[in-house]
Amino acid sequence: DTGVSQDPRHKITKRGQNVTFRCDPISEHNRLYWYRQTLGQGPEFLTYFQNEAQLEKSRLLSDRFSAERPKGSFSTLEIQRTEQGDSAMYLCASSPPGGGDVQYFGPGTRLTVT
Amino acid sequence: AQSVTQLDSHVSVSEGTPVLLRCNYSSSYSPSLFWYVQHPNKGLQLLLKYTSAATLVKGINGFEAEFKKSETSFHLTKPSAHMSDAAEYFCVVSLTGRRALTFGSGTRLQVQP
Repeated sequence: DTGVSQDPRHKITKRGQNVTFRCDPISEHNRLYWYRQTLGQGPEFLTYFQNEAQLEKSRLLSDRFSAERPKGSFSTLEIQRTEQGDSAMYLCASSPPGGGDVQYFGPGTRLTVT
Repeated sequence: AQSVTQLDSHVSVSEGTPVLLRCNYSSSYSPSLFWYVQHPNKGLQLLLKYTSAATLVKGINGFEAEFKKSETSFHLTKPSAHMSDAAEYFCVVSLTGRRALTFGSGTRLQVQP
């Protein structure tokens, strides 16, 4: 399978703990995106990387959230001091250079904060 | 500002009957418009994309959508529903020059046997 992969698929954590998610984009895709999807809603944009540079961040990305893409390949999204409101599906997508604005999505990581 | 409104949160059809999922958008500029589908426990999959080349866009699995600028609509249709079409459908807009996609709230399609 050469699609976007995300790890873990599910994460249950207690409020106040830190969590980190990983996204591996499709090979040679230089753009990588993170979205958050809460129950019954469409995904909401969080942040976007072109290669290793983080070029855009949403207001949704509070200071407890940090995303990195150190070598321009995989990316990590960390949430510090998790809150119950962070419970959601976190989606990663990637797109190729010159590929216009089509984004290819991974299966997501479902976070439950208890 | 750009936004997208999906007019129905749930649509139920019988197998073999036509499907219509409605979407209206607002954008200050010429948008790119998409429909994505999300099956349970699977990732979002692109159904089709509009980028001003043609107002009627054909997608995968027999779906198509028509861009109507005068009505600011981009409705998704399929002549004959199949049980496997049951899923959540999202209308999505992308503003030229921006990378972020803006999703509608989704329409859940049920297909009755």
